Amino acid sequence: KNEVEQSPQNLTAQEGEFITINCSYSVGISALHWLQQHPGGGIVSLFMLSSGKKKHGRLIATINIQEKHSSLHITASHPRDSAVYICAVSFGRGAQKLVFGQGTRLTINP
Amino acid sequence: GAVVSQHPSRVICKSGTSVKIECRSLDFQATTMFWYRQFPKQSLMLMATSNEGSKATYEQGVEKDKFLINHASLTLSTLTVTSAHPEDSSFYICSAPQGGSYNSPLHFGNGTRLTVT
Repeated sequence: KNEVEQSPQNLTAQEGEFITINCSYSVGISALHWLQQHPGGGIVSLFMLSSGKKKHGRLIATINIQEKHSSLHITASHPRDSAVYICAVSFGRGAQKLVFGQGTRLTINP
Repeated sequence: GAVVSQHPSRVICKSGTSVKIECRSLDFQATTMFWYRQFPKQSLMLMATSNEGSKATYEQGVEKDKFLINHASLTLSTLTVTSAHPEDSSFYICSAPQGGSYNSPLHFGNGTRLTVT
């Protein structure tokens, strides 16, 4: 059974700080997703990774396949980054049935 | 960009009634639609996978006669919560991959918050 563990579960930081959220999984995967869930519940897909590193604006996602570990970094954090960040993995080659981590609740204070 | 439109965003219904939730893919064909449920402070749990033109596949512990899924076209999938009870109160959200492979972009609806009184 594939399990996805995220850390920390809650994170509070000051505006401008560098943020790191970690995700570990237990079995081989085909892809890893980082999702952002806003207070209203809507979910946005931030990244999909199967290897290496991706960057989009102030967000960076990395994955180490051998160590079964991924990190999401936020540079120059801002209060609007406050949300729940969810790591999810898919396995197999077909359409993505995801297994989710429990999420990391991030609060950025001004 | 591609969008999945989910309606309604909020619904309050009385115990024993049925509620239908719709998810539409607006500018792509969604062959597959995933339906998730999320209880407060918990992560998303997959309820079922619907495929256009065929029967949905339900996850273990999800009653198929209670949560009716229809995926009659490539742009519309519906979830009907039948004979709703207060314990069905939850956040329901759909997602559809834009493509059929593991690396296809994944799009989420905005979710439906169901309250059963």
